[in-house]
Amino acid sequence: QKEVEQNSGPLSVPEGAIASLNCTYSDRGSQSFFWYRQYSGKSPELIMFIYSNGDKEDGRFTAQLNKASQYVSLLIRDSQPSDSATYLCAVHRRTSYDKVIFGPGTSLSVIP
Amino acid sequence: DAGITQSPRYKITETGRQVTLMCHQTWSHSYMFWYRQDLGHGLRLIYYSAAADITDKGEVPDGYVVSRSKTENFPLTLESATRSQTSVYFCASSESTGGPSTDTQYFGPGTRLTVL
Repeated sequence: QKEVEQNSGPLSVPEGAIASLNCTYSDRGSQSFFWYRQYSGKSPELIMFIYSNGDKEDGRFTAQLNKASQYVSLLIRDSQPSDSATYLCAVHRRTSYDKVIFGPGTSLSVIP
Repeated sequence: DAGITQSPRYKITETGRQVTLMCHQTWSHSYMFWYRQDLGHGLRLIYYSAAADITDKGEVPDGYVVSRSKTENFPLTLESATRSQTSVYFCASSESTGGPSTDTQYFGPGTRLTVL
């Protein structure tokens, strides 16, 4: 079992729809969870982080964390073609930096 | 405000040659990281550094050497390049002074390395 798993996609959604991206992790000691966006040929950039169970909203983005189920998700409302990118889930355990693990990413395509 | 830069952006080399990839950050972040990104593997941590003169191995350190004599620089050296080291290499930094917001990693633009 990989430490951080994501559906590779590609995930296709029509413009204006909600895109739902999922991530599961195996290390129960994980404490911080990050979502990065990576456009083709570019470097990853942070969208948001979450560390408490529940939802965290930032504009059109909502991160959801369920530590009991070891599950974190990212919802993108009113999806735009500019949201087309690969989304990376990252899981961080504070006590040891070699536990910063990135998932393989989910490719999202928003169709106009 | 340059942030975090990497050089060169593209590099072609031959098997057996030594190659050094440079990383420079202007934020005085304590932590710096080197990742490689390959299709099917995502981002994999090669080495990281918590401060000047403090470095440690990540997930895939074999064949790589790092140093950090100054806070702002974190060069990665491939001592004898192999074809399997063909990849895109990203440098990143974070404050990590406490609290998840400071654990955010900021990435450089990447170096695309091809080993022939």
